[in-house]
Amino acid sequence: KAGVTQTPRYLIKTRGQQVTLSCSPISGHRSVSWYQQTPGQGLQFLFEYFSETQRNKGNFPGRFSGRQFSNSRSEMNVSTLELGDSALYLCASSLSTGNTGELFFGEGSRLTVL
Amino acid sequence: TQLLEQSPQFLSIQEGENLTVYCNSSSVFSSLQWYRQEPGEGPVLLVTVVTGGEVKKLKRLTFQFGDARKDSSLHITAAQPGDTGLYLCAGTDSWGKLQFGAGTQVVVTP
Repeated sequence: KAGVTQTPRYLIKTRGQQVTLSCSPISGHRSVSWYQQTPGQGLQFLFEYFSETQRNKGNFPGRFSGRQFSNSRSEMNVSTLELGDSALYLCASSLSTGNTGELFFGEGSRLTVL
Repeated sequence: TQLLEQSPQFLSIQEGENLTVYCNSSSVFSSLQWYRQEPGEGPVLLVTVVTGGEVKKLKRLTFQFGDARKDSSLHITAAQPGDTGLYLCAGTDSWGKLQFGAGTQVVVTP
């Protein structure tokens, strides 16, 4: 079956702009989690959605937001971009919520902020 | 601050050698997972350990969960170039969040 699909794969923005990233989970998976990956910090948890509800949230400013649609597809948005937001943003889906089961990751969206 | 500390950060070895990477924390985790990430791809789950003292083997890979469920290790025997990748440990904390370590970059040269 198809894996987790993230779009776009690469994008370049300038400071102050906003960006929306999309994630389509594996069919049947209702939980979608988002992570930010940088060389120095590793994977940092952003948030988790299950059945269109945010179930968990990491320690990121309010500029980072997300949502999940009825078909389980998810989007995350970053407003007023800063240089430090340059990172690989990974989406992961799983059957259940609570991040206790296996996470299936997409290939990520690499964001560069100039 | 990383809840899970991985060491070493980088490891370069020759094909056929053995290696061990470590994942340590001051917190107790209900379960711990190991993932491997290759360039341009997302992490892929290798194993989940849930019981203190548990040892799991996956071909040439041996995973151990500490008795107190605060640390884990991954040992690779007779490493091959295909073992090259970023090895990440992840633990489920008391709030149900999956926390990742920064990873150990392993390079195996022929």
